[in-house]
Amino acid sequence: DSGVTQTPKHLITATGQRVTLRCSPRSGDLSVYWYQQSLDQGLQFLIQYYNGEERAKGNILERFSAQQFPDLHSELNLSSLELGDSALYFCASSTPVAGDYNEQFFGPGTRLTVL
Amino acid sequence: AQTVTQSQPEMSVQEAETVTLSCTYDTSESDYYLFWYKQPPSRQMILVIRQEAYKQQNATENRFSVNFQKAAKSFSLKISDSQLGDAAMYFCAYRRHGGSQGNLIFGKGTKLSVKP
Repeated sequence: DSGVTQTPKHLITATGQRVTLRCSPRSGDLSVYWYQQSLDQGLQFLIQYYNGEERAKGNILERFSAQQFPDLHSELNLSSLELGDSALYFCASSTPVAGDYNEQFFGPGTRLTVL
Repeated sequence: AQTVTQSQPEMSVQEAETVTLSCTYDTSESDYYLFWYKQPPSRQMILVIRQEAYKQQNATENRFSVNFQKAAKSFSLKISDSQLGDAAMYFCAYRRHGGSQGNLIFGKGTKLSVKP
């Protein structure tokens, strides 16, 4: 158990819908990362938040957005869903330590199926 | 932009034998981190081993070791005394050093099967 929790575990929805994925980082971790794992694209970085502020953006679609709340949990919002958005969405968290290295701890993922 | 390439989509090893998974990467930076992650059927991402680019000594974690060739931009993972529990997808990953962006860049993965 990494200490990172993600809800829900599974989500099945229809095209055109909107869903929200939730992530609670490990206690004390300030950074949250979102990754998408799909069969055709592999594991891709979507977005990073640090202490409530957006820090880095990867291959995140305009239909997707995220935020990190004052209690440090994060939500990833996916709208106007398409079949190709079906994937496993991971959240990872890390905390700054002396030096630069800070391990990212991954949650169990949310499996999204768009029908 | 940095890229990570794993040229072996699938590998197979006999239990108790040794197997090496390959990874190459491309970067113009001189300092960075490299990782191997394991993803078993449960889908959990598990850090296996990491290597700091400024360290010449290859990292070792029990039965797992790496061969880091900085000039060749190569980072292979050797698994010794393979066990059934080692069967999983293995991802090579890169992370830049310094700055505020600590996201990981992953290869496409290698599926490792372990035969009893």
